[in-house]
Amino acid sequence: EVQLVESGGGLVQPGGSLRLSCVVSGFTFSSSAMHWVRQAPRKGLEYVSGINSDGDSTYYSDSVKGRFTISRDISKNTLYLQMGSLRPEDTAVYYCARGGYNWNFFDYWGQGALVTVSS
Amino acid sequence: QAVLTQPPSVSAAPGQKVTISCSGSRSNIGHNLVSWYQQLPGTAPKLLIYDNNRRPSGIPDRFSGSKSGTSATLGITGLQTGDEAEYYCGTWDSSLSAGVFGGGTKLTVL
Repeated sequence: EVQLVESGGGLVQPGGSLRLSCVVSGFTFSSSAMHWVRQAPRKGLEYVSGINSDGDSTYYSDSVKGRFTISRDISKNTLYLQMGSLRPEDTAVYYCARGGYNWNFFDYWGQGALVTVSS
Repeated sequence: QAVLTQPPSVSAAPGQKVTISCSGSRSNIGHNLVSWYQQLPGTAPKLLIYDNNRRPSGIPDRFSGSKSGTSATLGITGLQTGDEAEYYCGTWDSSLSAGVFGGGTKLTVL
């Protein structure tokens, strides 16, 4: 059974940092592209970041570029999102998702981790 | 403001058919394959359609997808009350080098 479990969410002050983790199981992590997608309260889905299977190519939305860093640890079957210079508009549920073979879809999603940026 | 454009809401009676449109541009839908997601209240999105018109295992054939030029359409036949959800289209944008989504469409089964 495929599972993606996010953790690390919480309340953080504006300007602060937070690291999200996503532990996966049930598929070959080292062969899969992985992504982060977020959803602000009562809003739609927003792409955040992606990383290829080798970990040597990363992609970011303009809204987080320069502030967030995606990475992966194959030995731990874990995807990370290091978030810095956080803003109130970064408040959202953050989902990790497995990327499809052609980067055009996300076939498995975690349950999400809530990040709240507020003073 | 979402990159892809969807109608905010659609509605139809049980047993009827509904379509949801998704409009983009050459750099996203025009050059890449489209996917569709269903999000029930309080849950994570679920893949319904990928590669424009392919269904993952377990998705009933009541759900279908199509693409033409820079637009895509999700079709749902034999509507059930359990289909009430938010539906999102998505794809890759070759100019942005990032994924993009529509703003979502809320389906109400009257």
